[in-house]
Amino acid sequence: AQSVTQLGSHVSVSEGALVLLRCNYSSSVPPYLFWYVQYPNQGLQLLLKYTSAATLVKGINGFEAEFKKSETSFHLTKPSAHMSDAAEYFCASSRANSKLTFGKGITLSVRP
Amino acid sequence: GAGVSQSPSNKVTEKGKDVELRCDPISGHTALYWYRQSLGQGLEFLIYFQGNSAPDKSGLPSDRFSAERTGGSVSTLTIQRTQQEDSAVYLCASSSPRHREPSSYEQYFGPGTRLTVT
Repeated sequence: AQSVTQLGSHVSVSEGALVLLRCNYSSSVPPYLFWYVQYPNQGLQLLLKYTSAATLVKGINGFEAEFKKSETSFHLTKPSAHMSDAAEYFCASSRANSKLTFGKGITLSVRP
Repeated sequence: GAGVSQSPSNKVTEKGKDVELRCDPISGHTALYWYRQSLGQGLEFLIYFQGNSAPDKSGLPSDRFSAERTGGSVSTLTIQRTQQEDSAVYLCASSSPRHREPSSYEQYFGPGTRLTVT
């Protein structure tokens, strides 16, 4: 069975600082991997996805993530945080066209 | 184009009542998913419809939960005899998967229905 681990529940950064949100997956075969963002009282919006093409994936709003098979990781980064990045972020995995398995999510706060 | 829509956006019901939640997927999307988001359990898969195939019901937590998808489009999630632990946000997603095209597996989410059982 697949599982996704997001360590910690809350990350706080200063505006302009690097954002790093960690995600590790557990799967015997590398799955497809996704990062979603959820703003308050809204649904989930896809930031980026890894579907076995390039290992460095660029997404919307300046976010990117790198798939590292040796570390079973898919960490999300952004060089410079903006106040509008404050939200909850979910890492998820799936096998082919199938259900998503989500991590517990992590709340990002951005300090002015 | 229009995204995934869900109704109602909020639903308050008394324990023991039945509720129906509706999802309108993106037009032409063949796959439809229901998830539940709650404080204690995070985001959980409930059920998955793909075309005319039998649905994957493996995530439904009890036999009080059921879902149907009529005409390959609109879906209704029904919860019978609601319990307080059913309080959560119910999210619907749809996708248009194409065989051997992983980039098409992206799921698009609706805004959710917040269910409160009193």
